[in-house]
Amino acid sequence: DVKLVESGGGLVQPGRSLRLSCVASGFTFDDYAMYWVRQAPGKGLEWVSGINWNGGSIVFADSVQGRFTISRDNAKNSLYLQMNSLRTEDTALYYCAKGRGYNFDYIDYWGQGTLVTVSS
Amino acid sequence: QSALTQPASVSGSPGQSITISCTGSNSDVDFYNYVSWYQQHPGKAPQLIIYEVNNRPSGVPNRFSGSKSDNTASLTISGLQAEDEAAYYCCSYTTYNTLHVVFGGGTKVTVL
Repeated sequence: DVKLVESGGGLVQPGRSLRLSCVASGFTFDDYAMYWVRQAPGKGLEWVSGINWNGGSIVFADSVQGRFTISRDNAKNSLYLQMNSLRTEDTALYYCAKGRGYNFDYIDYWGQGTLVTVSS
Repeated sequence: QSALTQPASVSGSPGQSITISCTGSNSDVDFYNYVSWYQQHPGKAPQLIIYEVNNRPSGVPNRFSGSKSDNTASLTISGLQAEDEAAYYCCSYTTYNTLHVVFGGGTKVTVL
């Protein structure tokens, strides 16, 4: 079974940094694009970033462009999100998600999420 | 990039059919066939129920169906059941600037 386990969330002050991790299992990790999607408390889903199978193509939402970076380590079946210059509006549950194919198409599996709270 | 437009809420009685619309533009829904739909129960992660406009993953009941016309995608739930009460989100690619992914604002389905 596909399993995605996020970690690294927590309480952080505005302007600080945080790194999220996602460990994948149950599928051949380097065959698929991966994504980060977030959900603010009581709100809808917001796509954050995506990375294709080998890291050669990376995209970001305008709201995080220049502050967040995404990366993957296919040898460790792991996806990362480095979040810098955090703002209160970045407070959300961050989901790691698996794509359907090598490059960007659609999300077919989601993790359970890790909560990031940005507050002074 | 703007979110896709969904009604905030839709309700129906058990056994009825309901349809949720998802309106985008010629940069997203109208342009791509990568329209997907997700179901999210409270406190749970989203689950894929429709992909590429009108395809169901294995295990998703056939009472869920999808369609698209021009810049509007739709999700229909036929024979509504109590367990269908959840939030539903549409999703598409967009060529707004560079390649992006955009979600709808979500629709809360209530089974009366």
